[in-house]
Amino acid sequence: SSELTQPLSVSVALGQTARIPCTGNNIETYSVHWYQQKPGQAPVLVISRDTNRPSGIPERFSGSNSRGTATLTIGRAQGEDEADYYCQLWDSSSAEVVFGGGTKLTVL
Amino acid sequence: EVQLVESGGGLVQPGRSLRISCTGSGFTFTDYVISWFRQAPGKGLEWVGFIRSKALGGTTEYAASLKGRFTLSRDDPKSIAYLQLNSLKIEDTAVYYCARGLPAGGVGYWGQGTLLTVSS
Repeated sequence: SSELTQPLSVSVALGQTARIPCTGNNIETYSVHWYQQKPGQAPVLVISRDTNRPSGIPERFSGSNSRGTATLTIGRAQGEDEADYYCQLWDSSSAEVVFGGGTKLTVL
Repeated sequence: EVQLVESGGGLVQPGRSLRISCTGSGFTFTDYVISWFRQAPGKGLEWVGFIRSKALGGTTEYAASLKGRFTLSRDDPKSIAYLQLNSLKIEDTAVYYCARGLPAGGVGYWGQGTLLTVSS
């Protein structure tokens, strides 16, 4: 998988569910990780290896990866979830780390 | 508490060289891969490379687009990793982050980043 595609922006109403897709060739054969980045801050890992939530990440964050799309789902979205989100994988065949272009999440 | 602190950024002229440092604390530095990323102003995240732990051979991997100009090294007794940047270009202007861990598993700990501006 040499390229990952994300929508530039996603909007969600407060308290509703946001879904951020990340598409790539055969992405379901890779482990996909998701990062949250707020302005002026370093990225934070929110989902690792498709579905794993690191310690300290709220349960409303979840991930999936199947049939050509990895998806970050944020349930009951809160104002503090407004951020840029990036998907990322390691392509061992090319020894390259690949990032999606990032999605700006707006909570209305 | 795991901490990573980058230093050494600043304003550099095109064609010059610079070394950025990453000092780790709160963990056994020698046991971990140190990864490097960058982010140009207003742009997305870009992987620079990583250096494996000594136990894994201490070898390095680089983004293909940067290979040859950037070099990673580490001084485990000092808990410092280095990113040497040569033949700097204007497009190397970015915040440079170091992080603990292999990108293959998701990188859980990041430094705060250091800004490098390449300009004449």
